[in-house]
Amino acid sequence: SQELEQSPQSLIVQEGKNLTINCTSSKTLYGLYWYKQKYGEGLIFLMMLQKGGEEKSHEKITAKLDEKKQQSSLHITASQPSHAGIYLCGAPNWGAQKLVFGQGTRLTINP
Amino acid sequence: NAGVTQTPKFQVLKTGQSMTLQCAQDMNHEYMSWYRQDPGMGLRLIHYSVGAGITDQGEVPNGYNVSRSTTEDFPLRLLSAAPSQTSVYFCASRNSLRGGVTQYFGPGTRLTVL
Repeated sequence: SQELEQSPQSLIVQEGKNLTINCTSSKTLYGLYWYKQKYGEGLIFLMMLQKGGEEKSHEKITAKLDEKKQQSSLHITASQPSHAGIYLCGAPNWGAQKLVFGQGTRLTINP
Repeated sequence: NAGVTQTPKFQVLKTGQSMTLQCAQDMNHEYMSWYRQDPGMGLRLIHYSVGAGITDQGEVPNGYNVSRSTTEDFPLRLLSAAPSQTSVYFCASRNSLRGGVTQYFGPGTRLTVL
């Protein structure tokens, strides 16, 4: 079955710095979702990528899908305390009946 | 729209007790599912439903039952709680059975089984 590996598992950056989180798949990616989770809350949808080479941005967060490398990256520019949380990537599996998730990357922003 | 709602937010059970986790969505979504989230194991699919009256097993269905009598509701039943079922449970829904559609998650239920 498909597996997603996220790196790094944990990241601490100073406010204002840029950062990148990677998500690598064991199989070809036919789509990739990025979610953010805060403690005690559900998963908040950030972006969905469907095509190789696709890039999407929302405010200061940019995500790219590189199908050839079976990888996606999430880049945050000029990080803010509001960006802190756990970032999860997910890919459709089982004929799209479920999402397979990575382990998550815990992001801490220091003031 | 309230989106996907779950109750309760927190629950403590004793081994052997039964309970139902509630999930409701007001977006008229066909597809609903239940995941559990455990440290180091990510989210795993328990059960899912592609419409009212239709349910199927996910990766980790043992110890759980579901039913889908209406489009809006998808309750998850723990028949006889075990400590291994201590987890955070998330309900999710989406509008289509196709893969390229946004899936919405509820806020989660934190369950502890003693």
